[in-house]
Amino acid sequence: EVQLVESGGRVVRPGGSLRLSCAASGFSFDDYGMNWVRQGPGKGLEWVSGINWNGVSAGYGGSVKGRFTISRDNAKNSLSLQMNSLRAEDTALYYCVRNKRPRAAYYDVVFDIWGQGTMVTVSS
Amino acid sequence: DIRMTQSPSSLSASVGDRVTITCQARRGVSDHLNWYQQKPGKAPKLLIYDAFNLETGVPSRFSGSGSGTDFTFTISSLQPEDIATYYCQQYDGDPPTFGPGTKVEI
Repeated sequence: EVQLVESGGRVVRPGGSLRLSCAASGFSFDDYGMNWVRQGPGKGLEWVSGINWNGVSAGYGGSVKGRFTISRDNAKNSLSLQMNSLRAEDTALYYCVRNKRPRAAYYDVVFDIWGQGTMVTVSS
Repeated sequence: DIRMTQSPSSLSASVGDRVTITCQARRGVSDHLNWYQQKPGKAPKLLIYDAFNLETGVPSRFSGSGSGTDFTFTISSLQPEDIATYYCQQYDGDPPTFGPGTKVEI
């Protein structure tokens, strides 16, 4: 079964840091680009970051550029998101999401497999 | 960033009705447009990709059309299990962006 399981979400103070992880199983992880998509409480979907299949290229949404860093470990079938200088507006459910197309550019995305999300709350 | 708009923002329809949602891109995105369904408390689910391709396992009452700046998502006969919020998403530009969503109620 194809599965994505996120972890690492918690309450953190403004200005703090947090690292999210995503464990993938059931597919050839190193063939697919991966993404983080977030959803604030009662809000819509926002693409946060994406990384291509081999980790060579990555992109970020404007609201997180310079603060968040995406990475992947294909040997461990895992995806990570390092989040620094967190703000209240980063409070959201963070989804780990696979790109449907193998070996596509990080921005050429059809989001076909979603995890259940991990909640990040930025509050003092 | 390519701004996406959807209309209506919400709608109420009866079981068996034909439901149509429109999505507009600020600039042309070719057919690089996907549709997702999100039920309350659940992760989104891919329904339509590349404007009109039905994802495997998705019922045929769902369909998509359009190209360029104007797209349409249709449920041919609304079912109770279709109660959800529907989002369009473009990937012609970097970053990929979502529409604000359309909430469908019965």
